[in-house]
Amino acid sequence: EDQVTQSPEALRLQEGESSSLNCSYTVSGLRGLFWYRQDPGKGPEFLFTLYSAGEEKEKERLKATLTKKESFLHITAPKPEDSATYLCAVLSNYNQGGKLIFGQGTELSVKP
Amino acid sequence: NAGVTQTPKFQVLKTGQSMTLQCAQDMNHNSMYWYRQDPGMGLRLIYYSASEGTTDKGEVPNGYNVSRLNKREFSLRLESAAPSQTSVYFCASGWTSGGAWNEQFFGPGTRLTVL
Repeated sequence: EDQVTQSPEALRLQEGESSSLNCSYTVSGLRGLFWYRQDPGKGPEFLFTLYSAGEEKEKERLKATLTKKESFLHITAPKPEDSATYLCAVLSNYNQGGKLIFGQGTELSVKP
Repeated sequence: NAGVTQTPKFQVLKTGQSMTLQCAQDMNHNSMYWYRQDPGMGLRLIYYSASEGTTDKGEVPNGYNVSRLNKREFSLRLESAAPSQTSVYFCASGWTSGGAWNEQFFGPGTRLTVL
């Protein structure tokens, strides 16, 4: 059974304090790993797609990396506006039709 | 482009009432999805439509029905609402390229309370 686990559940940082969020997965053939950001009361907003181990993507202060077992979302010098819940999802060979399996999310809070 | 739109934004129902949640996308995506999001449970797939004319069950389909009206629209119906269906409902659409599935784009959500 495909499974996605995110850690930590919650992370509190001071502005400028860099850190990483983890997404561990077990799937029957990874076809894609997706990162989303979700603000309170809103729908998830797409950030990155990673398809193969070793791949990296960057956007402003965020950098996503992928290995064969996990993905990291690195946040460099975060600002208060980076506060949100970050969701990880996987697409596997088993799940046809583009179905995603989501992790529980990491709630990030950045204090000024 | 409006992206993915959902109506209504909020709804309160009594147990046993029925309602339909509407979703539309203007990105010419083939696939559309309905999820529910509950505290501590994450996003769970209710139903999906991989292409116009097809629908399939997701992880938690009981108590729901769907209709893919056309390529743009995908509705979710609760025939007899139950308190356990109190949740936030998200519609999403996704695209394919060269047979590969790509990212999904989400609507703003419908917050449903069943009393």
